[in-house]
Order: sequence, then C-alpha cells, then structure tokens
Amino acid sequence: GAGVSQSPRYKVAKRGQDVALRCDPISGHVSLFWYQQALGQGPEFLTYFQNEAQLDKSGLPSDRFFAERPEGSVSTLKIQRTQQEDSAVYLCASLSSGGTYEQYFGPGTRLTVT
Amino acid sequence: DAKTTQPTSMDCAEGRAANLPCNHSTISGNEYVYWYRQIHSQGPQYIIHGLKNNETNEMASLIITEDRKSSTLILPHATLRDTAVYYCIVRPFGTGANSKLTFGKGITLSVRP
Repeated sequence: GAGVSQSPRYKVAKRGQDVALRCDPISGHVSLFWYQQALGQGPEFLTYFQNEAQLDKSGLPSDRFFAERPEGSVSTLKIQRTQQEDSAVYLCASLSSGGTYEQYFGPGTRLTVT
Repeated sequence: DAKTTQPTSMDCAEGRAANLPCNHSTISGNEYVYWYRQIHSQGPQYIIHGLKNNETNEMASLIITEDRKSSTLILPHATLRDTAVYYCIVRPFGTGANSKLTFGKGITLSVRP
C-alpha cells in the first residue's frame, strides 16, 4: 500500500518568505508527527496530532512555526518569515494503531533558506 | 536529550554480522527499546523493538541484557545496502504523544565490500 508522502521534496526559500510543507499520512493512521532534522543530526520532534487535534507542540522552535491537520488526514507545516536556521529536512511520520506501534516516515522535505 | 548512548561509527565486511551496541541505563519499566535506521536521503525506517526478551524478525535480531540497561542490534549478514545511520530509542509502547521518538545522533554503520 501507499506509504507516507511529502511534498515538495525540495524547497528553496529566500529569507523572510513563508513556506508550506505538506504531509499525506498512511490512510487510517490517527497519529501524525512532524520532526526537524538538521544536517548531521538525528531528527527532533516538533509536534504531534491525534486526528485533527494538535496535542503536543512543545518542539516547535518559535511562533513562526505552525502546523495544522484540519480533517484529521493531510497535515501542513507552515513556517513564516523563514530564517537561515530553518534550513533542515522536515520529516512527517504516521503511527500504526496496532501491532508494533511503529512510526512510518515520509521521505522528508529538504528546506534551504538563502 | 536522548536516553541512549551509541558509538559514533563502526564498519563491517559485507556478509559478516554487524553488532551495534546501545546503552540505555536509565530506561523505565514501561519503556521499550526501538531501533530505526536511516539510509542517506530517506526517512527513518523501523527495524525492530523489544521489552526484555530477545527478538528476531526478517531484518535483524535484538538482544537486551537482563538488567535492560543495554542492548545489541544484530544484522546477521550485512550487505552494502545496510550502510546507514542506526538509531536506538527508548519509548513507551503504544500510541499518543508519549510515543514521540527522541533520536540521538545514532551510529553510522559502513559496510565495506
């Protein structure tokens, strides 16, 4: 079956621009996570959704970061007024609700802020 | 901060077993040990998990010490495609916000021909 998809795969933004990154989770997965991965580092948690409810946004680095999942499926991570330190790979994962409770990751969106 | 510590890197010869160690001395009674790997330019991929018993699946084996303070991931016959960063993670089982993954820097495994 289809896995987690993310778009765009690559995004170049000029400093100060707003960007929107999309995540299509596996159909039926209730839980959705966003992670940020800086070059040479492991992914770091940003935010968590259960259906449409954003239950944990403790990892969002600033109020320029905003995430939504209005219908409990597709999610969008928005970054306003991008800064160079926002350059990273943004990963989306959805969680199986049984079995191994493993997270399935998308390929990520590589954001470069110039 | 990650609750696990791993060596920075290791290598092994193709066809040989790769044994990747992990220390998790502060693991709680309700936390499982999960292993993920990340091949270059891809998202992390689940490998295996366990609580206290040894586990095996089609990808790997997981050996957890009796005191649960450390574990070893074993790739029995490493191939070039196993070259990746391997992350050892501890987390509660199940769903919910507590199931978020705390990655460290992982261990870079290089499989040589």
